[in-house]
Amino acid sequence: ETGVTQTPRHLVMGMTNKKSLKCEQHLGHNAMYWYKQSAKKPLELMFVYNFKEQTENNSVPSRFSPECPNSSHLFLHLHTLQPEDSALYLCASSQAGTGGKAEAFFGQGTRLTVV
Amino acid sequence: AQSVTQLDSHVSVSEGTPVLLRCNYSSSYSPSLFWYVQHPNKGLQLLLKYTSAATLVKGINGFEAEFKKSETSFHLTKPSAHMSDAAEYFCVVSGPYTGNQFYFGTGTSLTVIP
Repeated sequence: ETGVTQTPRHLVMGMTNKKSLKCEQHLGHNAMYWYKQSAKKPLELMFVYNFKEQTENNSVPSRFSPECPNSSHLFLHLHTLQPEDSALYLCASSQAGTGGKAEAFFGQGTRLTVV
Repeated sequence: AQSVTQLDSHVSVSEGTPVLLRCNYSSSYSPSLFWYVQHPNKGLQLLLKYTSAATLVKGINGFEAEFKKSETSFHLTKPSAHMSDAAEYFCVVSGPYTGNQFYFGTGTSLTVIP
């Protein structure tokens, strides 16, 4: 266990559904991240939150909507997804303000399948 | 700008033989460098990190890496491969002025042959 918990672990949804992914960390970190990992593609950074403020949106389509209500929780709201959005979605957290020296801790991921 | 290049997308070794996974980095500032391992359908686990202290870094499961500034490299090694080492490995760079972002390599898939 890394201290970062993602739920659900697996999700199958139709293209017209709305669902949310949840990430929770109890490491006292103040930066949180969403990554997308597709088969045979590099890891893609989606969003970064520092101290609950979104500081990076890596040209992600609006059908993905992040929410960070506090420094321990991060959500990814999904609606009207496409089959190509099927992937492993990874959440991570780290301690900001260390000059980049702190490592990221990753959750186990949510395996999303869009049908 | 920060980036890493993992020079091999696939590496195969026999069980009990040495492992070498290669990583070169590019950084405008003093970098921090990390190696992560990912087993199938799992999250990423930190193996080791370099943050400007000792250039030879020892990690978990017998892995180590050496930071070589003159070669801009941070290669991952292990003296003797075990079957359980079969996984995907990622080299990652971060540093000051990156907005707490991590820059990932494309990964190296390690196969261990019995």
